[in-house]
Amino acid sequence: DAGVIQSPRHEVTEMGQEVTLRCKPISGHNSLFWYRQTMMRGLELLIYFNNNVPIDDSGMPEDRFSAKMPNASFSTLKIQPSEPRDSAVYFCAITNRNIQYFGAGTRLSVL
Amino acid sequence: GQNIDQPTEMTATEGAIVQINCTYQTSGFNGLFWYQQHAGEAPTFLSYNVLDGLEEKGRFSSFLSRSKGYSYLLLKELQMKDSASYLCAVRDSNYQLIWGAGTKLIIKP
Repeated sequence: DAGVIQSPRHEVTEMGQEVTLRCKPISGHNSLFWYRQTMMRGLELLIYFNNNVPIDDSGMPEDRFSAKMPNASFSTLKIQPSEPRDSAVYFCAITNRNIQYFGAGTRLSVL
Repeated sequence: GQNIDQPTEMTATEGAIVQINCTYQTSGFNGLFWYQQHAGEAPTFLSYNVLDGLEEKGRFSSFLSRSKGYSYLLLKELQMKDSASYLCAVRDSNYQLIWGAGTKLIIKP
């Protein structure tokens, strides 16, 4: 399995605050994906990168969301300002030999 | 539009066999994936089908019929630890994964 490290594992913040989620792939990959998962909407693709370049960000809900991948070993997803409806589990995933492997996720609660 | 359908919830008995179905309508097809997700954890890869037929991997098997837009995941000799959600996903013509909502499998003793 390819490894993906996400941090923090849990984040509790207040509405209006900036939130930054981090993802570190620790082995070879071609693409990197950010997903959001909620009970109501299931697993939703937010954005994905190919060779560090954003390819499709049509899933990013609003301008409050932004993602960067400055190099092959690091990516961030930022929410500014955060809102209670952003509460969800955010997963980072990478593709290795056509299989997507997920990080453990960040559980975000916006109060 | 693109659509993946799978039952919301299923219940089965420990030691038994259960089949979880998945039907799909997508723009193109480049493989079908099954993932397992335990509560509070990340999805983990179970199987991949790109050609018609049955792929067996231990207690788990996955079947694909491209002409019918249909797949199933078969779990044999069910164990309590198999209680989880099972997600079906199809890779479309853009090589993007389209995800089903998942099937919550409850195993009873």
